[in-house]
Amino acid sequence: AQKITQTQPGMFVQEKEAVTLDCTYDTSDPSYGLFWYKQPSSGEMIFLIYQGSYDQQNATEGRYSLNFQKARKSANLVISASQLGDSAMYFCAMREGRNTGGFKTIFGAGTRLFVKA
Amino acid sequence: EAQVTQNPRYLITVTGKKLTVTCSQNMNHEYMSWYRQDPGLGLRQIYYSMNVEVTDKGDVPEGYKVSRKEKRNFPLILESPSPNQTSLYFCASSSSLGGYTFGSGTRLTVV
Repeated sequence: AQKITQTQPGMFVQEKEAVTLDCTYDTSDPSYGLFWYKQPSSGEMIFLIYQGSYDQQNATEGRYSLNFQKARKSANLVISASQLGDSAMYFCAMREGRNTGGFKTIFGAGTRLFVKA
Repeated sequence: EAQVTQNPRYLITVTGKKLTVTCSQNMNHEYMSWYRQDPGLGLRQIYYSMNVEVTDKGDVPEGYKVSRKEKRNFPLILESPSPNQTSLYFCASSSSLGGYTFGSGTRLTVV
């Protein structure tokens, strides 16, 4: 069955340092997509980064990178040079069915990141 | 501006009174979905739609209905709301590539 696990309910990081948010997943479908979203205290959901199961290279978007380890079924989010505005809840998500979208998508329980000045 | 528009933002209603939360997107996205967010549970998918007239159940569909008669609209219907449907609801859309664009959310309270 489809499952997403985020084992860190909360994390602290010093401003300007890098931080890794963990995400493991489980699926029997060989074709899937992995996503990270940010939810600031204002409540909106913001898409950060996407990794397809057949992608050979790790995805990067600005200060965000996704450390994709397929054999270990992990898709950790790395935020480099943390900023105060990075303080938020972060959700890992997986979409099954096809690499490129659609179908059922599940979310992890989230990790709350606190960036310290 | 590319966006997903949900209405209303806030709603307080009584048990059993039918309600509809509207969702509209202006990006010509094929895929649309409804989620509810509850503390400690993350986001749980209620229903999703892969295109006009194509919908399917997510993980928590009981007590909800949806329709996709037009590509841009995907309303969520609660025929007989109950207090356990008090939650924060998000509509989202995406193309075949990339992540969701989410609406601003609807905070529903059923008393």
